Amino acid sequence: AQSVAQPEDQVNVAEGNPLTVKCTYSVSGNPYLFWYVQYPNRGLQFLLKYITGDNLVKGSYGFEAEFNKSQTSFHLKKPSALVSDSALYFCAVRVHTGGFKTIFGAGTRLFVKA
Amino acid sequence: KAGVTQTPRYLIKTRGQQVTLSCSPISGHRSVSWYQQTPGQGLQFLFEYFSETQRNKGNFPGRFSGRQFSNSRSEMNVSTLELGDSALYLCASSHGPLEKETQYFGPGTRLLVL
Repeated sequence: AQSVAQPEDQVNVAEGNPLTVKCTYSVSGNPYLFWYVQYPNRGLQFLLKYITGDNLVKGSYGFEAEFNKSQTSFHLKKPSALVSDSALYFCAVRVHTGGFKTIFGAGTRLFVKA
Repeated sequence: KAGVTQTPRYLIKTRGQQVTLSCSPISGHRSVSWYQQTPGQGLQFLFEYFSETQRNKGNFPGRFSGRQFSNSRSEMNVSTLELGDSALYLCASSHGPLEKETQYFGPGTRLLVL
C-alpha cells in the first residue's frame, strides 16, 4: 500500500537552532513528494516539492528538504528556526491509482520556543 | 493572481440536512481536488476533477458527491449529514492533473453538524 509516515507527532526546538521534521514514504514507481504547512484555522500552504534531480530541494521561508531514495525519506529542514515557524507540517506524496490523488502524512506539530 | 477561494467559510447544520460547498480555483487551473480534515483521521482525499470529469474518488460513502463546471469552479455536496461529517473541507487546485503538479489550497470550509 502506498503511504506516508511522519513518525513524530510533535517537534520542539529553540529559536535559532536547526530543525528537522521527518517523513518517510512507501510508493510504487517514482515518488513525487511535497511539504505543506498549516497555520491555525487556515488552509495548507505549499513549501516545496521533489520531482526529480538534485536531492536537496529549497523552498519557501528558508526551508529545504533532502530526498533520500535508499532510505525512502524526505525530511524537512531549516538551519535556524523562528518562533513564527510554529505550525502543523504535512508531508505528502502524489500517486496515481486509476486517477491522481495526494496521500498526506498525519502531520507534525512544530513548536519553536523563544 | 487570486488564490483558491472557498465559500462559505463556516457552516452549521443539523443531522439529516444536506450541504453544498463551493470552490473557485486559481485562474487558469483546471484541476480541483477536495479533502476532508479531521483531528482523528487527518487529511483524507475525497475527489479530483479535471475538465468537468471526476478522475478519482476517495473512500467515502455515496452521500458525498461533487461536480465541476466549465469554468473549473467546483462544488461538493453532502447529503443526510451525520455528526461525523463535522470537519474542515479543503479544496485545492492545480494547473493540470499530472503527478508533478503543485496543488494550492484554499482556506477551507469548516462544517459543524449538530
